[in-house]
Amino acid sequence: AQSVTQPDIHITVSEGASLELRCNYSYGATPYLFWYVQSPGQGLQLLLKYFSGDTLVQGIKGFEAEFKRSQSSITQRKPSVHWSDAAEYFCAVGRANFGNEKLTFGTGTRLTIIP
Amino acid sequence: DSGVTQTPKHLITATGQRVTLRCSPRSGDLSVYWYQQSLDQGLQFLIQYYNGEERAKGNILERFSAQQFPDLHSELNLSSLELGDSALYFCASSVESSNRNEQFFGPGTRLTVL
Repeated sequence: AQSVTQPDIHITVSEGASLELRCNYSYGATPYLFWYVQSPGQGLQLLLKYFSGDTLVQGIKGFEAEFKRSQSSITQRKPSVHWSDAAEYFCAVGRANFGNEKLTFGTGTRLTIIP
Repeated sequence: DSGVTQTPKHLITATGQRVTLRCSPRSGDLSVYWYQQSLDQGLQFLIQYYNGEERAKGNILERFSAQQFPDLHSELNLSSLELGDSALYFCASSVESSNRNEQFFGPGTRLTVL
């Protein structure tokens, strides 16, 4: 069974500092990987997705991610955070083959920004 | 605004009752997904419909059921409600039924069972 682990439940960073969000997955097949953000009282918004190919992917809102197959990880980074980045971030994995399209989510990392 | 609408935003009911949550997907999207977000279980996939047919099933209880209508809106029916069913229920939609297609999430329906 597929699983997703986000080792950091809560991260606090200062505004303007860099951010790194970690995610590890366990999957028996080629995965599709996603990072979502959930702002308070809002639904989830897709930040970036990884299907295959280049190990670095660019997302929206200045986020990028590095995929490492050998470590079964996808790490999301942002060079300089803004107060509006305070939210909960979810990593998700989905099957690459057509026919089973559910996403399995990690438990989330809550990001707090210090002024 | 993702284009996915969910009603109602909040729902408070009692144990043993039945409720219906409604979702309207983005215009043109054929696939609808239902997720449950709770403090103890996190965000879990419940069920997916594609163009009116059930496509995938996740951790959905037998007390729960869903359907997608010809106009592509979907309803999630929760019956014999228990305290543990209190959660945020999200609907998402995508153009087709592949994970290559981005899922757009609605704002959710917060269900409180007293």
